[in-house]
Amino acid sequence: EDQVTQSPEALRLQEGESSSLNCSYTVSGLRGLFWYRQDPGKGPEFLFTLYSAGEEKEKERLKATLTKKESFLHITAPKPEDSATYLCAVPGGSYIPTFGRGTSLIVHP
Amino acid sequence: DAGITQSPRHKVTETGTPVTLRCHQTENHRYMYWYRQDPGHGLRLIHYSYGVKDTDKGEVSDGYSVSRSKTEDFLLTLESATSSQTSVYFCAISSVSDHEQYFGPGTRLTVT
Repeated sequence: EDQVTQSPEALRLQEGESSSLNCSYTVSGLRGLFWYRQDPGKGPEFLFTLYSAGEEKEKERLKATLTKKESFLHITAPKPEDSATYLCAVPGGSYIPTFGRGTSLIVHP
Repeated sequence: DAGITQSPRHKVTETGTPVTLRCHQTENHRYMYWYRQDPGHGLRLIHYSYGVKDTDKGEVSDGYSVSRSKTEDFLLTLESATSSQTSVYFCAISSVSDHEQYFGPGTRLTVT
């Protein structure tokens, strides 16, 4: 059974304080790994897809990396508007994704 | 933004009544999904569709049914709503080329 575990569950940062979120996974045959951002009261918003170990993708202050067992979402010099819940997901059979429970990030000004 | 709408956006209903939620897309994507999101559980797949009239169950399908008669519409029906089905429901779509999911704005359902 595919499993996705995200840590920490919650993270509080001061504006400008860089950190990383972790997504570890167990899947038979990696078909990619997705990162999403979810703001309160809204649907998840797609951020990145990573397909193979060593791959990296960046968007503004976010950089996602992938190894054979886990992915990291690095947040550099975060701003309050980066506050959100970040979800990762791994597609399994028929490309149906298994989602982690997310990391709730709060960035204080 | 992906063209996905959900209706209604909010609904309060009584236990035992049937409820239908609608998801409409303008992207012509083949795959459509229904999820529920609850505190402590995250996103859980209810049902999904891989084409018109082609649907399959997800991990929490009991008490739910779906229908897809057109590419653009995916309906979720609670045959007889229960309080345990109080949740936020999200529709998502994806294409066959990259399988990235794009989500609708959600429907908050309260069953009293």
